[in-house]
Amino acid sequence: QKEVEQNSGPLSVPEGAIASLNCTYSDRVSQSFFWYRQYSGKSPELIMSIYSNGDKEDGRFTAQLNKASQYVSLLIRDSQPSDSATYLCAVNQGDYGNNRLAFGKGNQVVVIP
Amino acid sequence: EPEVTQTPSHQVTQMGQEVILRCVPISNHLYFYWYRQILGQKVEFLVSFYNNEISEKSEIFDDQFSVERPDGSNFTLKIRSTKLEDSAMYFCASRSGTPYEQYFGPGTRLTVT
Repeated sequence: QKEVEQNSGPLSVPEGAIASLNCTYSDRVSQSFFWYRQYSGKSPELIMSIYSNGDKEDGRFTAQLNKASQYVSLLIRDSQPSDSATYLCAVNQGDYGNNRLAFGKGNQVVVIP
Repeated sequence: EPEVTQTPSHQVTQMGQEVILRCVPISNHLYFYWYRQILGQKVEFLVSFYNNEISEKSEIFDDQFSVERPDGSNFTLKIRSTKLEDSAMYFCASRSGTPYEQYFGPGTRLTVT
């Protein structure tokens, strides 16, 4: 079983719409969850972190965590062309002291003007 | 805003040669990491480093790889005898004690010919 799975194919959304991205993970001990944005040829840029069940909002981004279902999601509201990128779900493996990140393959988002 | 920096941005080397990739983590950070991303694939963990020693290493991080923090600012990754399959983007990341967010540098593109 893959550590972190992001199964959706490329996502095309009209400008101003909501983009919804999903991620599941296998390690039940994981406590820290992150969303990174990666533009083509660039490094991962941290956009959200979440540690507790429920929702966390930061500007146009909302992360949702459900540890019982081992599920993390990211909503991007009022999508802008500059949001066009690959979004990486990352999960720490093990307890807090062992903070290796496992990444999913990423979801490409294309915002259409 | 403090950033992780990496040099060089691009390194071309011949198979069998040694390369050293350099990173300057964010100054007050305590935990340091190397990840790599082969073109078109997911980001993979290589090694974590804390308190001047390796905390964890992946299966990729074999005897050809080593890390060092030679002074109070630099963090290096050495590949002793490069192989064609070492061609990838290598990212350095760092984090403070808490919170657990890891911040990535811009990467070094390593091309082994």
